[in-house]
Amino acid sequence: LAKTTQPISMDSYEGQEVNITCSHNNIATNDYITWYQQFPSQGPRFIIQGYKTKVTNEVASLFIPADRKSSTLSLPRVSLSDTAVYYCLVGALSGSARQLTFGSGTQLTVLP
Amino acid sequence: ETGVTQTPRHLVMGMTNKKSLKCEQHLGHNAMYWYKQSAKKPLELMFVYNFKEQTENNSVPSRFSPECPNSSHLFLHLHTLQPEDSALYLCASSQELANWSTDTQYFGPGTRLTVL
Repeated sequence: LAKTTQPISMDSYEGQEVNITCSHNNIATNDYITWYQQFPSQGPRFIIQGYKTKVTNEVASLFIPADRKSSTLSLPRVSLSDTAVYYCLVGALSGSARQLTFGSGTQLTVLP
Repeated sequence: ETGVTQTPRHLVMGMTNKKSLKCEQHLGHNAMYWYKQSAKKPLELMFVYNFKEQTENNSVPSRFSPECPNSSHLFLHLHTLQPEDSALYLCASSQELANWSTDTQYFGPGTRLTVL
């Protein structure tokens, strides 16, 4: 099974930019990288998705290097409401079955 | 509101009980998923359905039995569970599995299950 690795936790202050990196060494050629956000007692919510280079939307940016073995979620000017667990998701081949793999998640705590 | 609903939101059951979790999506999607989320563990994919056909069963014990009568509804039937099965069970849906790596999944709020 493909494995993703993220920092377990990160702290930041309001107004700062936060960068969370995910390692995914076994990513398949055609797979995209997707990030989700999860608040307590809620299901994960889609944030952003990309294949290579850089993707930006209204809430975040995603940076993917040429080898695609990692990706970095960038949250500009975080607020207290951005405190959540952030998951990196990649699809990966495992034998004859495709598996979707969530990372262990990064608990981001935004401090006042 | 993601368009995916789950009932019940909370469930407490004994090890000899039989219960079912229900998921319904109002997004017109064709793929549906069950995930298990235990404390301090990553989300674990359990089952995947595409156009009502089961496409994935990730070595889930037979005490968990999924059912997908149509593309909008997904059930997880539970029987003779163990205390370690206590977890948050999440349902998700996406457009379809033609290229699921690019297919955004929409999650329901989950069912918090406690097995006594």
